[in-house]
Amino acid sequence: DAGVIQSPRHEVTEMGQEVTLRCKPISGHNSLFWYRQTMMRGLELLIYFNNNVPIDDSGMPEDRFSAKMPNASFSTLKIQPSEPRDSAVYFCASSSGTGLNEQFFGPGTRLTVL
Amino acid sequence: AQSVTQLDSQVPVFEEAPVELRCNYSSSVSVYLFWYVQYPNQGLQLLLKYLSGSTLVKGINGFEAEFNKSQTSFHLRKPSVHISDTAEYFCAVIMDTGRRALTFGSGTRLQVQP
Repeated sequence: DAGVIQSPRHEVTEMGQEVTLRCKPISGHNSLFWYRQTMMRGLELLIYFNNNVPIDDSGMPEDRFSAKMPNASFSTLKIQPSEPRDSAVYFCASSSGTGLNEQFFGPGTRLTVL
Repeated sequence: AQSVTQLDSQVPVFEEAPVELRCNYSSSVSVYLFWYVQYPNQGLQLLLKYLSGSTLVKGINGFEAEFNKSQTSFHLRKPSVHISDTAEYFCAVIMDTGRRALTFGSGTRLQVQP
């Protein structure tokens, strides 16, 4: 298995632009998580899906952020418009079963907003 | 609300020496406990987890952790570290509320010196 796949691995954009991050979970996994890692706030959950349905989006910073999971093999995290404070590493993770199984993390997308 | 505290931001240690990385948590409900490792420019990888049963948990790469309910701790240990263990280590919890997202500590940077 290729593991969790994220694209792009690096993204540099200018303030105000739309940014779309993509994630392909491990086949067969029914839960998908988006986390953000910054120096100031550490690792924090943005949103997670179970069976393609958003379960908890309490970590989504504001309306500029949106996430979708149109099918079991694909999810997007969109920021529109982007701001410099959105600069971070964004991780996607997936897991199977009851949710207490291991969450497998992708390599992350390093986003820089100028 | 739950929180996870990793008391040491950095731990320098010499190769082949023992190491303990400390983690304490606070929660009004039962928790499930995890340790993840992050190597430079990579995603997170599960080292070990405690869900129930024996309070001493063994993980990959020779690491182990002990759940202490009375002290609300889940310290990570290794009897003899290698240079390759240099990485960031994160303690995390999932609360027994049905919500399956990880809440992470701030991380401990383990620096193994020759």
